[in-house]
Order: sequence, then structure tokens, then C-alpha cells
Amino acid sequence: QQPVQSPQAVILREGEDAVINCSSSKALYSVHWYRQKHGEAPVFLMILLKGGEQKGHDKISASFNEKKQQSSLYLTASQLSYSGTYFCGTEPDSGAGSYQLTFGKGTKLSVIP
Amino acid sequence: NAGVTQTPKFQVLKTGQSMTLQCAQDMNHEYMSWYRQDPGMGLRLIHYSVGAGITDQGEVPNGYNVSRSTTEDFPLRLLSAAPSQTSVYFCASGRRGPRNEQFFGPGTRLTVL
Repeated sequence: QQPVQSPQAVILREGEDAVINCSSSKALYSVHWYRQKHGEAPVFLMILLKGGEQKGHDKISASFNEKKQQSSLYLTASQLSYSGTYFCGTEPDSGAGSYQLTFGKGTKLSVIP
Repeated sequence: NAGVTQTPKFQVLKTGQSMTLQCAQDMNHEYMSWYRQDPGMGLRLIHYSVGAGITDQGEVPNGYNVSRSTTEDFPLRLLSAAPSQTSVYFCASGRRGPRNEQFFGPGTRLTVL
């Protein structure tokens, strides 16, 4: 089942903050975040693992609530370059390591001057 | 390094035709995967591989075949194209082991008439 992302779309002015949420009905081992600009390939932002480990860029932060199977991506002091569609990908906690990611439908973020 | 390359960039097929989408990576990544992206649907996993000679099905495998004879190449075959397979196809690769980022290719836009 696809994770549910919210909001579906958001418009920000430069310098404003935004939070994108990702929620799953399954127990998760990891949550991955990617950004895709129009006509381009998705680009990695961050991975959050069960147990608290994080891998990703210093300027982007995220959280992972293992009990609620929810993750949030925090974008602070937004820049024009932040515009794009943000996808979360979830990996179920099957114990064996499935390497299968199920992506949400995406959140379209537009930053305007 | 070229990273992940995909050919062709664009393809138009008639219903019933077969073809192979090519994917290659030069980063010595063990893990490779194929996704399709449809408007408003996010990325859906078709097939993936955790090493040469090892492949497995993802979320939407029907109508597609894959093989992995070398670490570098992971072709996706459409057996008998259908209009429902009109989509943008992305290949991705990553290091195996504790969850790592995936590097996506530029994509192939396929139209089936």
C-alpha cells in the first residue's frame, strides 16, 4: 500500500518554512525522501532508519516516528531551488530487508519570489 | 563516471510490439531497480535486483521481464506492449547493505499506441 503524503501541494514565498508528511499503515524499517524537478529524475535527500539513524544532507531535516509509522520532512527558509515534487518511499519492517520501496504520490512544492 | 544511463530517451510502440529498455551503471552498485511513473501516481517498483543473477518482482511486474547477467546492466523487456504501459520508466542503482540512496537514470518516455 502506498504511503499517504500531505499536503498534495503547497505554495511558499522565499524564506518561508514548510513541512511535508508521510504516513504508512504498515510497520516500517526505513523512510526515504527524494525530490524531483519537472522533467528530471528523482534526487536523493534523506533516509531515516528504524532505531534513529539518519543519512542525508545537512541542510534538510526530517523525523521518523516509528510508533506512528509517520515521517515529516522539514524545509526551512525556503529557496527558489526547493521547488519540485517531493516523494517519500517506505520500506516495510519485514525483518529480512526487502529493499523494496513503495513511494507516495508526491507533494508538489512551489516557491515564489 | 557516467552514473546511471538509460536508452532510448523516447520510444513510440504499437500495441503488441516488444522492446527492451536499456539501463547501465558504472558505479559498481549491487542493487538495481526499475520504476514506472504515471501522472499523480508516484513511482511504482516493477522489478529489482540485488546482484548479478538475482532478480525479484516489485509492485507492478506484469507484462515486464528483467535479467541481470552483469553488475553493470539491467535491461527491462516489454513482452507485448499495451497502451496501459505508456509511462515514464526510471532505472535506479544503489549500494547493497544497510539502506543507501538510489541514483536514478534520466528516464525513458514510452508511448504505446
